[in-house]
Amino acid sequence: DAGITQSPRHKVTETGTPVTLRCHQTENHRYMYWYRQDPGHGLRLIHYSYGVKDTDKGEVSDGYSVSRSKTEDFLLTLESATSSQTSVYFCAISDLLRAGLSYEQYFGPGTRLTVT
Amino acid sequence: EDQVTQSPEALRLQEGESSSLNCSYTVSGLRGLFWYRQDPGKGPEFLFTLYSAGEEKEKERLKATLTKKESFLHITAPKPEDSATYLCAVLSGGSEKLVFGKGTKLTVNP
Repeated sequence: DAGITQSPRHKVTETGTPVTLRCHQTENHRYMYWYRQDPGHGLRLIHYSYGVKDTDKGEVSDGYSVSRSKTEDFLLTLESATSSQTSVYFCAISDLLRAGLSYEQYFGPGTRLTVT
Repeated sequence: EDQVTQSPEALRLQEGESSSLNCSYTVSGLRGLFWYRQDPGKGPEFLFTLYSAGEEKEKERLKATLTKKESFLHITAPKPEDSATYLCAVLSGGSEKLVFGKGTKLTVNP
């Protein structure tokens, strides 16, 4: 397995509270991603990072912010959690395998977040 | 807009009964098509990358193929341990973002 850990693995929080999820990698990969997975929607990209302090939005970024101060850590913050953000959150990493072509993403074990 | 459609949504097979899963895509300039396996409560596990039409890749009982419009994941003589959700994703030219299909849930009965 790729060296990716996520913490916490499970969290229950109340509406309106801030929540931070952490992704840590030991692979020294350049790219890191946050996804959410919901029944009927599949995996959807929230934010991604292409280097330290370099981030960009995905398709469902509203209500989320990210930070990457070190290569190995990528944080996802729910600024004020809502029930619609109850989901399973996955972190992924990737790096260029062949310049100019494509690259696989490797996923962490996930964080199950429940907002009550 | 890049789109990925997987069919069927769910598939039940008997052990040893071969079949195929489909992944249809529309993308502006395919850079890669990816297959993943996901077990309940776990993150997706990478299986294959296909880069161009006509390419095939194999791993144990799985074989992935690619045309200009779709990819197939062929499962030969499946075993119960092949039961999982199989995800397809595409990466288009000029993008750093994978677009995923909703997956096919495969159940293999002994």
